[in-house]
Amino acid sequence: DTAVSQTPKYLVTQMGNDKSIKCEQNLGHDTMYWYKQDSKKFLKIMFSYNNKELIINETVPNRFSPKSPDKAHLNLHINSLELGDSAVYFCASSQEMGRGNYFGPGTRLLVL
Amino acid sequence: AQKVTQAQTEISVVEKEDVTLDCVYETRDTTYYLFWYKQPPSGELVFLIRRNSFDEQNEISGRYSWNFQKSTSSFNFTITASQVVDSAVYFCALSEANAGGTSYGKLTFGQGTILTVHP
Repeated sequence: DTAVSQTPKYLVTQMGNDKSIKCEQNLGHDTMYWYKQDSKKFLKIMFSYNNKELIINETVPNRFSPKSPDKAHLNLHINSLELGDSAVYFCASSQEMGRGNYFGPGTRLLVL
Repeated sequence: AQKVTQAQTEISVVEKEDVTLDCVYETRDTTYYLFWYKQPPSGELVFLIRRNSFDEQNEISGRYSWNFQKSTSSFNFTITASQVVDSAVYFCALSEANAGGTSYGKLTFGQGTILTVHP
């Protein structure tokens, strides 16, 4: 059983388009995250939701809008895609402090 | 604010050599958690170990061992008798227990160390 799943795995699109990435976890966790890994492999948190409520927004441009319809899902919508948005986006979930994050397989976004 | 530094950007070794990956962290919290993750060429993030700030015991798991020293704010990772399959990017990460009640377990990652093990 997949613990944290993301779709799509690969996303190639043109600048200016709008796209969404979906994430689902079947672990019963209360907290979900989006992390971005840039071309230099640096991983940085973007958002965190706890029980459908946004609790962390790390100064991400407002073209990025997360949405959590329920605590098992955290989707990421990106408007007006820019070249610099090309990266790998990881969804993750956790249940309690200190247990670490369970990561999805990542979505590789390429903006042309 | 918390910070994690992995000063070694890239390490290259020959199979069977031992290799140590360094990790230094900064935090104002007294309760925090440290992690190591492995990212193989396939791209997924693989959890390796978790350590809380109150447990300074070193840990060994097969060829892997971790040395946690609060006095120097370091959490180093050693691979003994490295193998080609160990080639990956390794990340050290920090989670604060309660950064004003808003951390909720978010991870702050180091820059990563690219380890290449040659046959």
